[in-house]
Amino acid sequence: SQQGEEDPQALSIQEGENATMNCSYKTSINNLQWYRQNSGRGLVHLILIRSNEREKHSGRLRVTLDTSKKSSSLLITASRAADTASYFCATGLTGTASKLTFGTGTRLQVTL
Amino acid sequence: NAGVMQNPRHLVRRRGQEARLRCSPMKGHSHVYWYRQLPEEGLKFMVYLQKENIIDESGMPKERFSAEFPKEGPSILRIQQVVRGDSAAYFCASSPSGSNAGNTIYFGEGSWLTVV
Repeated sequence: SQQGEEDPQALSIQEGENATMNCSYKTSINNLQWYRQNSGRGLVHLILIRSNEREKHSGRLRVTLDTSKKSSSLLITASRAADTASYFCATGLTGTASKLTFGTGTRLQVTL
Repeated sequence: NAGVMQNPRHLVRRRGQEARLRCSPMKGHSHVYWYRQLPEEGLKFMVYLQKENIIDESGMPKERFSAEFPKEGPSILRIQQVVRGDSAAYFCASSPSGSNAGNTIYFGEGSWLTVV
């Protein structure tokens, strides 16, 4: 079964607004990472949060992790048109070989 | 400091032909991962390799797909007798050590395979 599920599947906001994306997973994890993918391009790593951390910031990004609910959220503040992309969460699972399990992503559209 | 380099970026193959995708990891990285992304989907893990060793190939189809990471040269993902369903973006990633240790893995720009 799919480990990571992002919600919503698609999000459209105006420039300047905040964007919140959620990710839920099913089993124990070592860490959770968020990636951005522009259309037709590779993935860009945004932020990694370990299972013993609850919140992490990087510039306009804020990630939270709730291991009791097996969920994470990515908040992009003061969004810009350049933030338009797909965003994926990926989990590193406890006790497995080093591979990440990706969700299906949230497509974010930021309009002027 | 070059990132993960993949080539070709785009590849078109007829059904039944072979596709070879190459990946050079970032300098100093000895761990390589291959992922596949079907249209409108997330990435699916295929295989994890270290130099000359396959560590985890649990995501590799049982037939027609193989991967190697020789002592010298790039990692190769080989798909024999391609079918239309192999059309996808294939991403390579690398890390200095295992990603489960909390290390970030860095992705290349991908190789887009189209089977006609």
